[in-house]
This record gives sequence, structure tokens and C-alpha cells, in this order.
Amino acid sequence: AQKVTQAQTEISVVEKEDVTLDCVYETRDTTYYLFWYKQPPSGELVFLIRRNSFDEQNEISGRYSWNFQKSTSSFNFTITASQVVDSAVYFCAPKAWEGAGSYQLTFGKGTKLSVIP
Amino acid sequence: GAGVSQSPSNKVTEKGKDVELRCDPISGHTALYWYRQRLGQGLEFLIYFQGNSAPDKSGLPSDRFSAERTGESVSTLTIQRTQQEDSAVYLCASSLGGRGRWDEQFFGPGTRLTVL
Repeated sequence: AQKVTQAQTEISVVEKEDVTLDCVYETRDTTYYLFWYKQPPSGELVFLIRRNSFDEQNEISGRYSWNFQKSTSSFNFTITASQVVDSAVYFCAPKAWEGAGSYQLTFGKGTKLSVIP
Repeated sequence: GAGVSQSPSNKVTEKGKDVELRCDPISGHTALYWYRQRLGQGLEFLIYFQGNSAPDKSGLPSDRFSAERTGESVSTLTIQRTQQEDSAVYLCASSLGGRGRWDEQFFGPGTRLTVL
């Protein structure tokens, strides 16, 4: 089973600031997946990234970047030069690689990001 | 192409009544998931369908909850004798499924259920 902690309940930043959303997970699996989803005010979850546990390379996609540290069980998400459209709730979600329940995403409570113009 | 659709978008019901929520997955997606999201919380897994295999119902919170899926198409989530604690947004997701665990889940817009 997996567990995820997103310690930051709400964050407010001024537009163009950088912001990092923390994610710490717990798992007994040696291999697993990690996902980030965005939930804008409209409510529909949008997939952002997936990462498997044996690939520790950091990833950058435009203004988004992810820092995966297996040693500390963290998978943090940074938005550079934030924009108002980034305002949403962001969820980190681990998923088992195989076995019972390996199709389930385990969601944390999410971090609500507000970008102020 | 069309994404995952859910209906109704909003449902208000009285305590004790039964409700039925519908999900239309993306065409060709063999896997279908139901999640529940209470206000200010993350998503809780409810049930998973994969093709014609027996569904995994391990996340259903009580026997008042049930779900069906015909083949690889529409799914309905039924809540009998609704209680106020059932108030939440019910989200459906679908994915390509099959043996790959990597596949991305695509979510619908959800049904907001309010039990008075």
C-alpha cells in the first residue's frame, strides 16, 4: 500500500514567482510509479507527469520541473514564473508497480495553489 | 476525440433515496475506475473494472454502494439509501488498461452529489 503526504495545504504566490509543491510518499514496494495531477477550479483532473521509481533523472517540461529523490521518498514539483492559470489543486499520487491494487492511484489531500496577479 | 463523460453533473437528493451515476469512458479504454472526492480531500478509490474480469470492489465503503459495467462501455455507480456522508464529487476515470501498469488515467468532470 502507498501513502502520500502533501504537507502544504494552501500556497499563495504572486504571479511570476517560482513555487515548489512538496510530496513525500511511503511505499513498501521496491518499484512503483509516481504521478502528479492538476485539478483546476473546473474540477476535471489533468495529468501532468508520471515517473517510475528506477528513473531518478529530474524532468523539465516548459515551466514545470520535477525533482525525484528516492533516498528521501520525495517527488517535488516546481513551477517557474507562475501564472494565474496555474491556480489549481495539485495532487501527488503514487501507484504500485504490480500486485494487488497496482492499478489504484493513491491520492494525498492535495496542495491548493493560488497565483495572484 | 471525446474524453470521459459523466452524468448528471450535479445531483441533489434526499436522505434515504437511491441514486445512479453514469460514466462513459473513452472509446477503446478497457479499464475504468470510480473515485470519490469529499470536500477539500484527495480522491478515494472505490472500484476498478478491467475488461471482462471480475471488478475490484475493495474500495467500496459499504454494501449500499454498487457498480456495474457492460463490457468495455458505460458504467453506473449506484448508491442505495443515501446518507449525508455520501455527499461528495464522484469521479470516473478510464485508461487503456491491459497488462501495462504505466497507463495514464483520464478523468471525467465528476458528478457532484448532495444528500440533504
